Amino acid sequence: KNEVEQSPQNLTAQEGEFITINCSYSVGISALHWLQQHPGGGIVSLFMLSSGKKKHGRLIATINIQEKHSSLHITASHPRDSAVYICVSRETSGSRLTFGEGTQLTVNP
Amino acid sequence: DGGITQSPKYLFRKEGQNVTLSCEQNLNHDAMYWYRQDPGQGLRLIYYSQIVNDFQKGDIAEGYSVSREKKESFPLTVTSAQKNPTAFYLCASQLQGLGAGANVLTFGAGSRLTVL
Repeated sequence: KNEVEQSPQNLTAQEGEFITINCSYSVGISALHWLQQHPGGGIVSLFMLSSGKKKHGRLIATINIQEKHSSLHITASHPRDSAVYICVSRETSGSRLTFGEGTQLTVNP
Repeated sequence: DGGITQSPKYLFRKEGQNVTLSCEQNLNHDAMYWYRQDPGQGLRLIYYSQIVNDFQKGDIAEGYSVSREKKESFPLTVTSAQKNPTAFYLCASQLQGLGAGANVLTFGAGSRLTVL
């Protein structure tokens, strides 16, 4: 069974700080997603990675397939980045997705 | 615009009643999923479907039922057998395959069910 672990569970930062959220998984995967969930519950897909690195604005996501590890970075953090960030792995066989428990990020002005 | 529509957004039910949550997508996605989220917890998979007329149990399927009669629709019924149904329910879909847009996850806005 695939286990997906995120760290930290909670993260508080000051505006402008560089933020890193980590995700580790235990089995071979075909893709890893980073999601952002806002207080109202709505979820937005930020990235889908199968290798390497992707960048979108101030967000950067990396994945190391050999180490079964992915990171989400936020540069120049802003209070509007406050949300829960969730890592999701898609197993190589089939469509099953496994979710991490999420990282609650709070960015203070 | 393409997307996933979940309804209702808020739902209250009495104990012992069955309720059905709607999930409709116009993205032509093959796979659809239902998740449950409880306060302070991650998303847990209830059911998923990779193709019309086929669906698989997830980790917490007991007390729930689904159908996939059309590609666009994947309704979830919360039955009276579900002992603790108060939760936030999220529907998601994903295009299978290798082409452009494949495997991107799209989520609905969620349905919040409260049992009185």
